[in-house]
Amino acid sequence: EPEVTQTPSHQVTQMGQEVILRCVPISNHLYFYWYRQILGQKVEFLVSFYNNEISEKSEIFDDQFSVERPDGSNFTLKIRSTKLEDSAMYFCASTPNWEIQYFGAGTRLSVL
Amino acid sequence: DQQVKQNSPSLSVQEGRISILNCDYTNSMFDYFLWYKKYPAEGPTFLISISSIKDKNEDGRFTVFLNKSAKHLSLHIVPSQPGDSAVYFCAASPTGANSKLTFGKGITLSVRP
Repeated sequence: EPEVTQTPSHQVTQMGQEVILRCVPISNHLYFYWYRQILGQKVEFLVSFYNNEISEKSEIFDDQFSVERPDGSNFTLKIRSTKLEDSAMYFCASTPNWEIQYFGAGTRLSVL
Repeated sequence: DQQVKQNSPSLSVQEGRISILNCDYTNSMFDYFLWYKKYPAEGPTFLISISSIKDKNEDGRFTVFLNKSAKHLSLHIVPSQPGDSAVYFCAASPTGANSKLTFGKGITLSVRP
């Protein structure tokens, strides 16, 4: 069964460093998303992406964040200068339409 | 900002009995609702959904009920099995392409053998 894959599963970085979280959405899907879950809190929407551009972004998604679909398969989230409060699980999701979103297993980002 | 609320943080039921997980929402623009199940160290896995034009949707042991006037939905699992033990998230979105999901905090379900 097709699935969304995310790498790495765990990323440890120093505060102020740049990180890139990678996702391979399901191949025939058109809409892509990033969400995050800080420990003990809700899953929160970050950004949605369609047709090679951002469709919507949340207040969390400030100038330190960017997304890219560099080729036909990868979808990346970049955090330019990480802060301690960026420590969270980051989930990528994709969907062929507006209905069911399918999630990856997540990347745990630890900022030290 | 609690547009989707799951007020009970946990639920424990006996194997074979019914599990009822509740969810309330406040945003009238929501008209598509989903339940996701999540095991530790995994991402949310889609379980079942319902559109606001329906009041019930059933898939095997799982049934979701929607009461639009009360802005309330519930997930029924019958019969409950130990493998159902997980965190269950309620999520909602407005209809339309590219709509973001708004999640509740989740309910931890424990099914006792």
